[in-house]
Amino acid sequence: NAGVMQNPRHLVRRRGQEARLRCSPMKGHSHVYWYRQLPEEGLKFMVYLQKENIIDESGMPKERFSAEFPKEGPSILRIQQVVRGDSAAYFCASSPRQVATNEKLFFGSGTQLSVL
Amino acid sequence: GQQLNQSPQSMFIQEGEDVSMNCTSSSIFNTWLWYKQDPGEGPVLLIALYKAGELTSNGRLTAQFGITRKDSFLNISASIPSDVGIYFCAGQPYNTGNQFYFGTGTSLTVIP
Repeated sequence: NAGVMQNPRHLVRRRGQEARLRCSPMKGHSHVYWYRQLPEEGLKFMVYLQKENIIDESGMPKERFSAEFPKEGPSILRIQQVVRGDSAAYFCASSPRQVATNEKLFFGSGTQLSVL
Repeated sequence: GQQLNQSPQSMFIQEGEDVSMNCTSSSIFNTWLWYKQDPGEGPVLLIALYKAGELTSNGRLTAQFGITRKDSFLNISASIPSDVGIYFCAGQPYNTGNQFYFGTGTSLTVIP
């Protein structure tokens, strides 16, 4: 049973380019969460999605960032016109159903985004 | 957002010693999760806690859900070199339903 798969593992972009980060949840999981981690810090919640729906995007910056989880295919975190401050590790987590019902988050290995 | 205070920030211990770390919140939580993260990897779930007062073990690891529902503790007994890493607590406030908030981590170094 494959775990949460994220790709790419490393992504280098120049300022102003777009970054697309992909996440395939564990088999049978329909809920995806995106977190961001800066060096020496904990994980900061960004967005929670179910298939085709954004449930909670309270942690997402209002501009340049967007996320989707289509009916088919992986969840995508998209960062437009990247700036140096976007450099961080981005982690995706999945759970089989809504976390409010005492579930657990299972994390992928992350995508390290470096903006030059 | 919620503040989770995790302590200590770092620990340097001899192999074989026991380790204790804790996490406190400013509000009541209904779930606590403990994770270990190795460099360049994602967090790996160690223990999940769902009831106040609950005490759960996973091998040499034991975690407790504080009775006040505002804290949680993780203990590691008889530490070994592979315990090295960063340990994070994550808590879910009872009135949100969506987010897990993460502590700032405890960096553990085990000296052989």
